[in-house]
Amino acid sequence: QVLLQESGPGLVKPSQTLSLTCTVSGGSISSGGYYWSWIRQHAGKGLEWIGYIYYSGSTYYNPSLKSRVTISVDTSKDQFSLKLSSVTAADTAVYYCARGVSRGSDFWGQGTLVTVSS
Amino acid sequence: DIQMTQSPSSVSASVGDRVTITCRASQGISSWLAWYQQKPGEAPKLLIYTASSLQSGVPSRFSGSGSGTDFTLTISSLQPEDFATYYCQQADSFPWTFGQGTKVEI
Repeated sequence: QVLLQESGPGLVKPSQTLSLTCTVSGGSISSGGYYWSWIRQHAGKGLEWIGYIYYSGSTYYNPSLKSRVTISVDTSKDQFSLKLSSVTAADTAVYYCARGVSRGSDFWGQGTLVTVSS
Repeated sequence: DIQMTQSPSSVSASVGDRVTITCRASQGISSWLAWYQQKPGEAPKLLIYTASSLQSGVPSRFSGSGSGTDFTLTISSLQPEDFATYYCQQADSFPWTFGQGTKVEI
């Protein structure tokens, strides 16, 4: 059973950078074949896919966020991270990390609420 | 981006009812469609992948069909634990995009 767990600050000030880490257990990021993804959900709203990183380090970002997003991976720790710069209140959301396969995302973290406020 | 449109946005149903949710893609996505179930305070759970394949551990009362642009999720006999919000997601091309969700409520 693959488990994912998000961690990071729950409160970020406007214009600062949101930083989250996802720790994977029960499986190795280096095993390949998976898109290690970040997805967010605004309160009472639908799901927005942010981007993914492959174990090799290759990435793809949603064009709507591309200018502000960086996803990185540390295979030695089985972790991958999200950085979202210049945040505003519109970035307040529950952020999920997930394991993507070609058919969808089969394992998800529990989600972490990040609030952007001064 | 491929736009995903679900209908209805909500449905009222009773235990034992048959429930059908539809999802339409703005362009053809072959069978690269997934369905998720999300309960309040929880992460989404993958139910169906490649339009009609049941994810391991998911009850057989859930089924999916369709290809191209039109897809359907059916719950054959609604159980109390099935009251939730359901999302479709296209996995044909990045960025992956989701439908707006369908809330199944009493």
